[in-house]
Amino acid sequence: DAGITQSPRYKITETGRQVTLMCHQTWSHSYMFWYRQDLGHGLRLIYYSAAADITDKGEVPDGYVVSRSKTENFPLTLESATRSQTSVYFCASTWTATNEKLFFGSGTQLSVL
Amino acid sequence: AQKITQTQPGMFVQEKEAVTLDCTYDTSDPSYGLFWYKQPSSGEMIFLIYQGSYDQQNATEGRYSLNFQKARKSANLVISASQLGDSAMYFCATRPSNTGKLIFGQGTTLQVKP
Repeated sequence: DAGITQSPRYKITETGRQVTLMCHQTWSHSYMFWYRQDLGHGLRLIYYSAAADITDKGEVPDGYVVSRSKTENFPLTLESATRSQTSVYFCASTWTATNEKLFFGSGTQLSVL
Repeated sequence: AQKITQTQPGMFVQEKEAVTLDCTYDTSDPSYGLFWYKQPSSGEMIFLIYQGSYDQQNATEGRYSLNFQKARKSANLVISASQLGDSAMYFCATRPSNTGKLIFGQGTTLQVKP
């Protein structure tokens, strides 16, 4: 019962570097999401995907790129990391658009120095 | 655009007492969902309860109940018989119709005193 896993758990990088955060789920959920959590802002949606090869922007997509070539994977890439992208990143998934529960990964704590 | 407002940044409650965490939402969608999640200090997001906009009865899950007042656009979480383990950050969220995505409020930190 692996569920939804994120890697790495912690990451330190420098400004300007490319960073990829991984998200993998074993439930064959159609929908997957990336959120970032910052003090005073709660969780804000970065990107989401309704199915493989279908992605869409959320509230704060600038500076991020996603892909979804396989249903189970939804990587998030910071093409050129900035200090403002220091945050905790959560991946989440669910079966349908109207499902009564969103399942979250454990989060990745990213620090950009 | 949909919006969630949690006006209580922090709250205290005595152990074994009940506590209400406030949540108001703003949406023009006829169909939507309302959620509460708990985030303990360990950081994981734990699903607590869900209410659909067409549900006639307030949702309940064990010690958690959602006080849904549609006309007021409020979805307050009530925790009965508070326990020390209830100390955490609590997030209210709404899901616009047929989008799957959740929009979160800023959260309320609850501390349970022994």
